[in-house]
Amino acid sequence: GAVVSQHPSWVICKSGTSVKIECRSLDFQATTMFWYRQFPKQSLMLMATSNEGSKATYEQGVEKDKFLINHASLTLSTLTVTSAHPEDSSFYICSAVGTGLNQPQHFGDGTRLSIL
Amino acid sequence: GENVEQHPSTLSVQEGDSAVIKCTYSDSASNYFPWYKQELGKRPQLIIDIRSNVGEKKDQRIAVTLNKTAKHFSLHITETQPEDSAVYFCAANGGGFQKLVFGTGTRLLVSP
Repeated sequence: GAVVSQHPSWVICKSGTSVKIECRSLDFQATTMFWYRQFPKQSLMLMATSNEGSKATYEQGVEKDKFLINHASLTLSTLTVTSAHPEDSSFYICSAVGTGLNQPQHFGDGTRLSIL
Repeated sequence: GENVEQHPSTLSVQEGDSAVIKCTYSDSASNYFPWYKQELGKRPQLIIDIRSNVGEKKDQRIAVTLNKTAKHFSLHITETQPEDSAVYFCAANGGGFQKLVFGTGTRLLVSP
């Protein structure tokens, strides 16, 4: 149980394009999903908290216009990196929390984004 | 806000030895402390967690201890195996029960 699917797993694109990453909770409903960024050999840095049906809450220093988050249903959140540039290249991971009390975060497999 | 420090950054042990990873946190409102294992290029996987109303929790070869007064918690792995080799992250929730702040990670290498 508690499976989180993230797609795509790997994407390479040209500078200036936009990239959408999907995060789905497959066997549970998630009112809250989180988006992280992870640089090589570093920790998970929280970018934003995504709540179903409401605007995402961004961490300090994260550009909301650059990283668009949509949480349209209890099983799907998307992160769109707009006008991506090489410095946006990174490993992006989502996590989802179930609707019950004191539920842990379950992570997706991550998306490796490379901007040329 | 919450700040989590984790030590050591790397840990090498021989198969069968024990491994201990320690974390400290700053926000006394934190009440949930999970540990995640991440293998190279893969997702972090929850291996054990503890809440502030208990001091210790054990699951087979893995145990976590919590000292609320000192604001630190530790992961203990006994009888280590090569497949335990991975990066381990501790985290604390800063009282926000869902949002987590992660430590910097510990790279554990278990040599056969």
